[in-house]
Amino acid sequence: DSGVTQTPKHLITATGQRVTLRCSPRSGDLSVYWYQQSLDQGLQFLIQYYNGEERAKGNILERFSAQQFPDLHSELNLSSLELGDSALYFCASSVEGRGPKNIQYFGAGTRLSVL
Amino acid sequence: KNQVEQSPQSLIILEGKNCTLQCNYTVSPFSNLRWYKQDTGRGPVSLTIMTFSENTKSNGRYTATLDADTKQSSLHITASQLSDSASYICVPGGGATNKLIFGTGTLLAVQP
Repeated sequence: DSGVTQTPKHLITATGQRVTLRCSPRSGDLSVYWYQQSLDQGLQFLIQYYNGEERAKGNILERFSAQQFPDLHSELNLSSLELGDSALYFCASSVEGRGPKNIQYFGAGTRLSVL
Repeated sequence: KNQVEQSPQSLIILEGKNCTLQCNYTVSPFSNLRWYKQDTGRGPVSLTIMTFSENTKSNGRYTATLDADTKQSSLHITASQLSDSASYICVPGGGATNKLIFGTGTLLAVQP
């Protein structure tokens, strides 16, 4: 158990809908990362927050948004969902927000299916 | 363009045997390379982290090597166990925010 909690584990919804994925980081970790993993593809970095502030942005679509709250949990909002958004969404957390030795600990993921 | 190529794509070995997984990367800026293990349907777990100045790093039966000049890394697994069956992902990173680029992984199956 990495200590990173993601809910829900599974989510099935229809095209055009909006969903919210939730992540609670490990105790003491200030940084949260969101990744998308589509079938047979490597993890794609979406966005990073550090202590409530956006730190880095990756390949995140305009239909997607995220935030980190004062208690350090984070939410990823996906709207106007399309079939191609079906994927595993992972949250990771780390103590620091940068540095070559900074270890990211991953949650178990949320599997999103858009029908 | 940042790229990570891992080989082989998949591998089947018998329990107790050794194996070596390869990674070639083109990532800039570069300062570190990680290997992760990902069980099916689970989140990745960090195995090793090496900075550009380190040549080798071990974690139990896992030994990673790095040649930053040729932009190559390998992960050697010794005396494989059934629980080693997973995807092994090479992840170079660098830059001010230490952006990580994930490879697509090598899928390893260890058979009894």
